[in-house]
Amino acid sequence: KQEVTQIPAALSVPEGENLVLNCSFTDSAIYNLQWFRQDPGKGLTSLLLIQSSQREQTSGRLNASLDKSSGRSTLYIAASQPGDSATYLCAVRFSEKLVFGKGTKLTVNP
Amino acid sequence: DGGITQSPKYLFRKEGQNVTLSCEQNLNHDAMYWYRQDPGQGLRLIYYSQIVNDFQKGDIAEGYSVSREKKESFPLTVTSAQKNPTAFYLCASSGGRWDYGYTFGSGTRLTVV
Repeated sequence: KQEVTQIPAALSVPEGENLVLNCSFTDSAIYNLQWFRQDPGKGLTSLLLIQSSQREQTSGRLNASLDKSSGRSTLYIAASQPGDSATYLCAVRFSEKLVFGKGTKLTVNP
Repeated sequence: DGGITQSPKYLFRKEGQNVTLSCEQNLNHDAMYWYRQDPGQGLRLIYYSQIVNDFQKGDIAEGYSVSREKKESFPLTVTSAQKNPTAFYLCASSGGRWDYGYTFGSGTRLTVV
């Protein structure tokens, strides 16, 4: 069964800290991996999309890496801010469907 | 601006009633999806459609129905057969190729009263 796991489930850090969110998946035959952000009661906002042929993608203070052979991806957030507080979801496209992890709830304390 | 519009934002359903959630996209995407989100359970796929007039069941299709008569629209009906419909429903779309990313709407929160 194709599964996506995110660790930790929750993370609390002081403002300004650099942090890493982890995502692992069970099947290396993927098309792409996408990181989303979700604020409470809101939809999902796409942060980064990494194709299977790529190793990383960057957008501002965010950097996502992909290692297909080990079934892992990391989302690196530099110089965290209180506005980064949200739930971060990792999703892997194995076929026509996207499989989601359960997310990491991030709290950045001022 | 291109995007996905879900309506209504909040919906209340009485026991035994069918309700329909709207999802419209102007991204010219071929594929559309419906997900259900419950606390602690993550997103679960209800139905998806890769082309007009065709759709497939996802992991939790029982008690739901869909139609895809137009490329832009993919409405979801929550029927009375769905025993626990209270949840947050999210619609998404994607280009026809499997290396495309997904775009999500802002969601509809359905509550049974």
